[in-house]
Parts: sequence; structure tokens; C-alpha cells
Amino acid sequence: ETGVTQSPTHLIKTRGQQVTLRCSSQSGHNTVSWYQQALGQGPQFIFQYYREEENGRGNFPPRFSGLQFPNYSSELNVNALELDDSALYLCASSLEGGGSPLHFGNGTRLTVT
Amino acid sequence: KNEVEQSPQNLTAQEGEFITINCSYSVGISALHWLQQHPGGGIVSLFMLSSGKKKHGRLIATINIQEKHSSLHITASHPRDSAVYICAVSRNQFYFGTGTSLTVIP
Repeated sequence: ETGVTQSPTHLIKTRGQQVTLRCSSQSGHNTVSWYQQALGQGPQFIFQYYREEENGRGNFPPRFSGLQFPNYSSELNVNALELDDSALYLCASSLEGGGSPLHFGNGTRLTVT
Repeated sequence: KNEVEQSPQNLTAQEGEFITINCSYSVGISALHWLQQHPGGGIVSLFMLSSGKKKHGRLIATINIQEKHSSLHITASHPRDSAVYICAVSRNQFYFGTGTSLTVIP
């Protein structure tokens, strides 16, 4: 059984650029959720995908968008990067949404300069 | 106001002490999760519970659905327990607390 893997592990971008982060779900999991964690803060929910459809979204602007693929892997896209987007981005997979344990990847550390 | 509140924010304990971390939430939930985050970012799910109590080794988690409150207890604490402990609740999406940073001193 493979765990949740995220790529890349670290990324440096310039303000105004666009970035794509990737996540491979744990085998058999059909739900993936993305989180932004600023230094010293708890994770903030960005959105969740279930069977390729977005079925929940936190308080993030539309320039944060995502995709889930038929194999349940997922992407997080952020357009027009801002300095405040610098954070650890975590992906977690689970079975059937909120009623099963979360399995987290190790995250992607994004720095916007 | 956050949907999930944790206390304390920071906790320092001597090795061997009994530790309690508290979590209160304000939304209806299907489950409550206790997570452990070590320096560097990796998060591990410790417990998922919707009623009663669960125990795993030296860790015990309890939940009171009526009072919308959960506690995580660590018995005979050890320096390797030093980490950030995060409470999260789930229904259709997840809401996270800001975490409790625990340091256990030898």
C-alpha cells in the first residue's frame, strides 16, 4: 500500500507567477483535500475533491483551483502568486469524505519572493 | 471565531508527566480527529472518534458529543512525544485547530 506523495517538496516562485502542486492519493482513496499551513498556524482547508468533483471549499480566492484525475491523484494550482501564499501546502486523502481517517503527504514548501 | 479551539497553545512538561490537551468545537460533526505533526511538516493521524474513548499505547482520546469537547491524554510522557498536536473535526469538510505545541523535557 503506497502512502500519499506530494511533489515537489520545495519550490521558490516569484510574485505574479503561477504554480502547480501535485498529490498522489493513497491507494483506494477517492477523496483528496488540500490545506495551506502558514508558519506557526494550523492547516487551513482550501478545498476537497471527491470522485473528480469539488465538493467543499474553504475561504480561499478563485486563483486557488484544483483538479482530481480518474486515478484520484490531484493538482493544486495557484495563479498570480502573492507573498502571503508562502506556506506549506498539504494534501490528504481519505475514503468517502469526512468520515474516515486522513492520510497526509509530507507537503510542498512554497516560497514566494 | 474559529470552528475549532484548542488549549493550551503551548505546553512544556517533564518526562513522565501526565498531559492533557483540550479541543472544543462549534459545528456539527461526523467525526473528530487528533493529529500529530512533527517538525518538518509530516502529519500522522492518531485517532478518529465519534463517541466515547479510544486508547492506543500511552495515548487516550475522549469525546463528549453533547458538550462538543474532546481531550487527548498522554500518560508517562516522553521526549519523543514532543510535537504539535492538532484537533480537527469533519462533516462534509475538515476544520482544524491551530495546534498545541508540546515539549517534553528529559
